[in-house]
Amino acid sequence: EPEVTQTPSHQVTQMGQEVILRCVPISNHLYFYWYRQILGQKVEFLVSFYNNEISEKSEIFDDQFSVERPDGSNFTLKIRSTKLEDSAMYFCASRKGLNIASYEQYFGPGTRLTVT
Amino acid sequence: EDQVTQSPEALRLQEGESSSLNCSYTVSGLRGLFWYRQDPGKGPEFLFTLYSAGEEKEKERLKATLTKKESFLHITAPKPEDSATYLCAVPTSNAGGTSYGKLTFGQGTILTVHP
Repeated sequence: EPEVTQTPSHQVTQMGQEVILRCVPISNHLYFYWYRQILGQKVEFLVSFYNNEISEKSEIFDDQFSVERPDGSNFTLKIRSTKLEDSAMYFCASRKGLNIASYEQYFGPGTRLTVT
Repeated sequence: EDQVTQSPEALRLQEGESSSLNCSYTVSGLRGLFWYRQDPGKGPEFLFTLYSAGEEKEKERLKATLTKKESFLHITAPKPEDSATYLCAVPTSNAGGTSYGKLTFGQGTILTVHP
């Protein structure tokens, strides 16, 4: 069964460093998302991406964040200068398309980002 | 403001003791309600989609139902392997009323089933 994959599973970085989190969405899906979950808190939306551009972003997704689909399979989240409060689990998700039958999103296993 | 609230926050059951989890939502124009299971340190695993009031979906010991204001996840004769956090989520719109599928999640119900 097709699944979303993410690498690395755990990333430790120092404050101020840049990190890139990688995702391979399900191959025939058209919409891609990043969410994050701070320990003990809700899953929060960061950004949605469709047709090679951002379609929606949250207040969390400021100028320090960027997303890219560099080729036909990868979807990346970059944090330019990490802060302690960026420590969280980051989940990539994808869904097939726009119609009512395909609002379902499938999530990857997550990348645990620890900023020290 | 679109909101999703789950109760209880935590539920401890004995193996075989059936119960229900609740998800209340306020959203303009429901485009579906999703249930996910999340194991510690893992990503949300899709369980069900419900689109209209009265709809029911079943999978093994789980049954999800939907009304106009809330959804229930019924667990019949649970087993220890059903222990997990169960998340409810709905697609919500941006300020302009357009939805690109962004999901708003509840805080989850932590279910523990003791043997």
